[in-house]
Amino acid sequence: DTGVSQDPRHKITKRGQNVTFRCDPISEHNRLYWYRQTLGQGPEFLTYFQNEAQLEKSRLLSDRFSAERPKGSFSTLEIQRTEQGDSAMYLCASRDKQRGHNQPQHFGDGTRLSIL
Amino acid sequence: SQQGEEDPQALSIQEGENATMNCSYKTSINNLQWYRQNSGRGLVHLILIRSNEREKHSGRLRVTLDTSKKSSSLLITASRAADTASYFCAIETSGSRLTFGEGTQLTVNP
Repeated sequence: DTGVSQDPRHKITKRGQNVTFRCDPISEHNRLYWYRQTLGQGPEFLTYFQNEAQLEKSRLLSDRFSAERPKGSFSTLEIQRTEQGDSAMYLCASRDKQRGHNQPQHFGDGTRLSIL
Repeated sequence: SQQGEEDPQALSIQEGENATMNCSYKTSINNLQWYRQNSGRGLVHLILIRSNEREKHSGRLRVTLDTSKKSSSLLITASRAADTASYFCAIETSGSRLTFGEGTQLTVNP
C-alpha cells in the first residue's frame, strides 16, 4: 500500500491557461474522488468514479472542468481557461468499496494550483 | 446545507491537556468521519463512526456520536505538540461523497 499519489504537488500558471493534474489511487481501490480546498476551508466534493465510470459531479464542476479515469486506475483532472478563482488545493482520494460500506477515504497530498 | 460545522474554529492548549472538538450536521448520515490535516498536506483519516454507533476509541482518540442531536465530538487525550493540525469532521450520506466542515485549528504548545 503506497498511498494515493498526486502530481504535480504545485502548479503555477497564468490566467487563461489549461492545466492537468494526475492522481494515482491505492491499487485495487475501485472508487476515486476529487475535492477542492481553499485556504481556511474544508474540502469540497467535485466528482467521483467507480472504476472508469464517473458517477457523480458537483455543481462546482463547471464546464471548464473535466475528469477522466480511462482504465479504472489513475485519474486526470483538467481545468481549461483557468480563472483566479480556480486557485486552490485539489485533493484526490480513493476508497475500497468492495470491502463494503463504511470504509474511509484515503487522501493524497494534493496539487496546489496558483493562478497568476 | 448538509455541511458539518466544527466548534471551536481554533483551540490552543498546553501539552498534556485534553482537546475536545465538536461537530454538528443537519441531515441523516451513514457515518461520520474525523480527519487530520497538517499544513500543506492531505487529510489523514482518524476514526469512522457508523450511524448506529455511539462511541469509538482509537489510541488517545475518543469519538462520540449523538444522532438525535446530530452532533459528534472528538476528544484527544494527553495532547502532544505533534497533534498540532487542523481537524475536520465529514459526513457521508446515502451518496458516496463526503461533506466536510470548516475545521478546527488545534495548536498544542510545548
